[in-house]
Amino acid sequence: DAKTTQPNSMESNEEEPVHLPCNHSTISGTDYIHWYRQLPSQGPEYVIHGLTSNVNNRMASLAIAEDRKSSTLILHRATLRDAAVYYCILRPTGTASKLTFGTGTRLQVTL
Amino acid sequence: DTEVTQTPKHLVMGMTNKKSLKCEQHMGHRAMYWYKQKAKKPPELMFVYSYEKLSINESVPSRFSPECPNSSLLNLHLHALQPEDSALYLCASSQDPGGRETQYFGPGTRLLVL
Repeated sequence: DAKTTQPNSMESNEEEPVHLPCNHSTISGTDYIHWYRQLPSQGPEYVIHGLTSNVNNRMASLAIAEDRKSSTLILHRATLRDAAVYYCILRPTGTASKLTFGTGTRLQVTL
Repeated sequence: DTEVTQTPKHLVMGMTNKKSLKCEQHMGHRAMYWYKQKAKKPPELMFVYSYEKLSINESVPSRFSPECPNSSLLNLHLHALQPEDSALYLCASSQDPGGRETQYFGPGTRLLVL
């Protein structure tokens, strides 16, 4: 499986935008880029995913580099409730494809 | 309803015990998953069920035995576990096993093996 690289931790002030980077230089043409997050004492939850174009939803935006070797998850206004571990995951398309979590980025949000 | 439920929330068992973890979803999803998560580590895939058939076993020891009695239920039977099996066990489901589908996770069962 193609691998992702993320910073171990990041800090943000509340109500500021947060840009969480992910490198995936060995991504293949059929790999989707997924982001999940895991709040303390909870299971992971889906945030956003994309293939080539930038994507927006109510939780976040996903900016994908033109060569697809990196992507950035953007939280437009971080709140204390966004403090979590954020995982960038490559998912190959196919039957029973796997969700392989990397080490993720622990985001701390402070007042 | 986008909820995956797991029971029990917590479980303590001895190495000679037999216990089962239960997972349920009523979203009509046809793929279900078991993950194991050790403290401060990412979740690791254990098993995938696709249309009620086991499609992926990530070389999990036989002391873990999954079962999918129907499309809404997923069980994980535990027998003769070791203390190093203590972890958070997460269940997830998705509409189908394809690569674009969102996985919905339950809150997990926190297992302690003594």
